This record gives sequence, structure tokens and C-alpha cells, in this order.
Amino acid sequence: AQSVAQPEDQVKVAEGNPLTVKCTYSVSGNPYLFWYVQYPNRGLQFLLKYITGDNLVKGSYGFEAEFNKSQTSFHLKKPSALVSDSALYFCAVRSFGNEKLTFGTGTRLTIIP
Amino acid sequence: NAGVTQTPKFQVLKTGQSMTLQCAQDMNHEYMSWYRQDPGMGLRLIHYSVGAGITDQGEVPNGYNVSRSTTEDFPLRLLSAAPSQTSVYFCASSSTGLTTDTQYFGPGTRLTVL
Repeated sequence: AQSVAQPEDQVKVAEGNPLTVKCTYSVSGNPYLFWYVQYPNRGLQFLLKYITGDNLVKGSYGFEAEFNKSQTSFHLKKPSALVSDSALYFCAVRSFGNEKLTFGTGTRLTIIP
Repeated sequence: NAGVTQTPKFQVLKTGQSMTLQCAQDMNHEYMSWYRQDPGMGLRLIHYSVGAGITDQGEVPNGYNVSRSTTEDFPLRLLSAAPSQTSVYFCASSSTGLTTDTQYFGPGTRLTVL
């Protein structure tokens, strides 16, 4: 079985500071990892994904994530937070050959002006 | 392109009523899926389809039915609504069922069952 854990329900960061949203996963075999963002009353939007190759993945809106196989983590990062980054962030994982995507419970990111 | 569209945006049902949530996509995607989003539980997969005429169960399929007669449409049917089905429902599509693909989500349907 595959699973994702987002250990923080909520993260608050001051505008201009770096931010990190944590994600750890469990799969059999190679993981395929995704981050999605949800703004109020909207559907989820794709941010970035790790499939293979470079462990540091860059995505939309200046976000990046680092795949760490030994720690089974895929934390989302941004060097300088914007108020507009405030949203609900979901980490998701699939394993090779599995059609199903498993989501974490989400982390609400609040950027304080 | 409209992307993934869902109707209705909001719906209130009484226990025991049935209804269909509509989902359509205009991107010619083969893979479509339905999720429900509940507070503190993230998104959970209800049913999915890898192409017209093919559907399969997800994590929480009980009480829901799907069919896929065309590539574009993937309706979700609630057979006899229960309060436990109060949730926000999202439809998603992607171009293939491969593990590498990005999913595109609709705006959601907020369902309340009284």
C-alpha cells in the first residue's frame, strides 16, 4: 500500500521569509511524487512533480521540492514567501504501475504580511 | 479549452435521494477520476476510468456508481444519498494513466445531504 504524511496541518511564515511544507511517503518500489495547491473554492492545481533524475525539482510560482530517498521525503520549499502563496497544499504519491494517486491530508500555508 | 467542468457547483439532497454529478473534459484525456475531499482527510479516490467503457473502484467506492460511455464525460451517481456523503467532490483528468502524468482538476461540487 502507498501512503503520504503531511505532519503539519498549518504552517505560518512571514512574507519574504523562506518556507517549507513537509511531506513523507511510503510506497513499494519507485515513487512518483507530486505537489498540488488549492486556493479557496477552487480545484487543485499542479505545482511540480518528481519522476526520476535530479533530486531537486523546480515548479510553478517559484516553488521547488527536494526528493530524499533515504528519508522518504519530498518537502516543498520557496526561498521568499509571498502573501499570494497562502493556500492549501497537498502532497501526492504513486508507485510504478499503480493507476491510483494517494493524497496527503493537506497543509494550510498562511503568509503573514 | 474549458478544461475540466463540473455541474452543479452546489447541491442539497435529502437522505435517500439520488442524483448525478456531471464531469466533462475537452482535452481528449483518457484517464478520469472522482475524488471526495473531507476536512482532515485530504482527497480520497472514489472511482476512476482509464478510457471509454472501462471503470474501476478507488479507495471509497461504496454508495457511488460511474460509467464512461465517451472520452469526454464521466458522471458520478449517488444511488441513495446519506449524510456521510456530504463532501466536496472533484473530478480530474489526465492524458494517460501512467504514473508520471499530471492531473487537471475541475472546480468541485459541494454536496450537502440532510
